[in-house]
Amino acid sequence: GQNIDQPTEMTATEGAIVQINCTYQTSGFNGLFWYQQHAGEAPTFLSYNVLDGLEEKGRFSSFLSRSKGYSYLLLKELQMKDSASYLCAVRGSSNTGKLIFGQGTTLQVKP
Amino acid sequence: SQTIHQWPATLVQPVGSPLSLECTVEGTSNPNLYWYRQAAGRGLQLLFYSVGIGQISSEVPQNLSASRPQDRQFILSSKKLLLSDSGFYLCAWSGQLGTSPLSYNEQFFGPGTRLTVL
Repeated sequence: GQNIDQPTEMTATEGAIVQINCTYQTSGFNGLFWYQQHAGEAPTFLSYNVLDGLEEKGRFSSFLSRSKGYSYLLLKELQMKDSASYLCAVRGSSNTGKLIFGQGTTLQVKP
Repeated sequence: SQTIHQWPATLVQPVGSPLSLECTVEGTSNPNLYWYRQAAGRGLQLLFYSVGIGQISSEVPQNLSASRPQDRQFILSSKKLLLSDSGFYLCAWSGQLGTSPLSYNEQFFGPGTRLTVL
């Protein structure tokens, strides 16, 4: 079967660092994606990893370990506007490009 | 630049009524197209995807159907809506393998349609 797990909810303080974990078991692997989704809005792309290691993009970084089926999204210098759901998704097939999404992690940033 | 449109933005329909949601993409050709549904507080469930005109793959058995009459047009339909069809419907596109890495390595989402079935 195919399974993507991430914590349902997390809370962090403004200015802090938070790490959102994602573990996956899929029949194929052709990349892992992180999306941000504010309430009532469409998801927006944050990051993409296909090789092991860390990808950094401003305050956001994403890490991948293919052997462990594990990724995390690291958010630094948290701001109130970072309160949102963070979706982990795996692309299993290269031909169709379709993504399998986890349930999402709702992050609440408190002052 | 590429843009993706969905309409309507919100829709309230009675149980048993038909449904037609439309999605169009501009600024790219031969995209992969996707329909997702998101129940309240849940993740995205892939409903259909298409790699070309007239080519539709269904991921979840249900009373919904999809069609792709033109390269950049994707339509989600139902003959008779159920209460369980309520949700946030999202259309997305990505580039085909072999196109630019930027469009292949990302799925771009439309603004979504919030459907309430009463």
